Amino acid sequence: DAKTTQPPSMDCAEGRAANLPCNHSTISGNEYVYWYRQIHSQGPQYIIHGLKNNETNEMASLIITEDRKSSTLILPHATLRDTAVYYCIVRVGLTQGGSEKLVFGKGTKLTVNP
Amino acid sequence: EPEVTQTPSHQVTQMGQEVILRCVPISNHLYFYWYRQILGQKVEFLVSFYNNEISEKSEIFDDQFSVERPDGSNFTLKIRSTKLEDSAMYFCARRTVTNEKLFFGSGTQLSVL
Repeated sequence: DAKTTQPPSMDCAEGRAANLPCNHSTISGNEYVYWYRQIHSQGPQYIIHGLKNNETNEMASLIITEDRKSSTLILPHATLRDTAVYYCIVRVGLTQGGSEKLVFGKGTKLTVNP
Repeated sequence: EPEVTQTPSHQVTQMGQEVILRCVPISNHLYFYWYRQILGQKVEFLVSFYNNEISEKSEIFDDQFSVERPDGSNFTLKIRSTKLEDSAMYFCARRTVTNEKLFFGSGTQLSVL
């Protein structure tokens, strides 16, 4: 079962930042936080992952709290094409012998409104 | 991002028939995966495959399922005798040896009648 808790749905206005929270209070020291999204019925798409430092790439930023019990995915300027289900997943890093399996929960359905 | 091509995009079959779903490889993507998603439900892991061997599989991946990648060609998922409950979207995913980022295909919609 997924080790994360996410709100089932959120709304965001186009052009504004979308902040998607994720709770992972039982995360272990060697577990990473991964974010994927699924647009309609397409295959999941990798967004970002991190261990404890904040991460940023061309798609999003990942802010992980100091105690690592929660994190926030930030889409800085949401567009209509960002409407999707966003999944927060916790897993031991593969370089540390982690399972290959990604366990998807129900995620957060983000709707970006015009 | 490298595109992950799956064929066919849709497959309709009769219960009890065998189906083969295919995923087109990219040379430096050596880890392969199959996931499935029953309509309205979560994405579920089926199996991971590396160096011509299954490295991990879920309880769903029973004797009805098999995977192979003969001679570096397409990575395939075979369902030997399909059941109604096998109806789902099947996603292939790949990654390189050094990168944890999974690239998913757009899926094969399997309908078992």
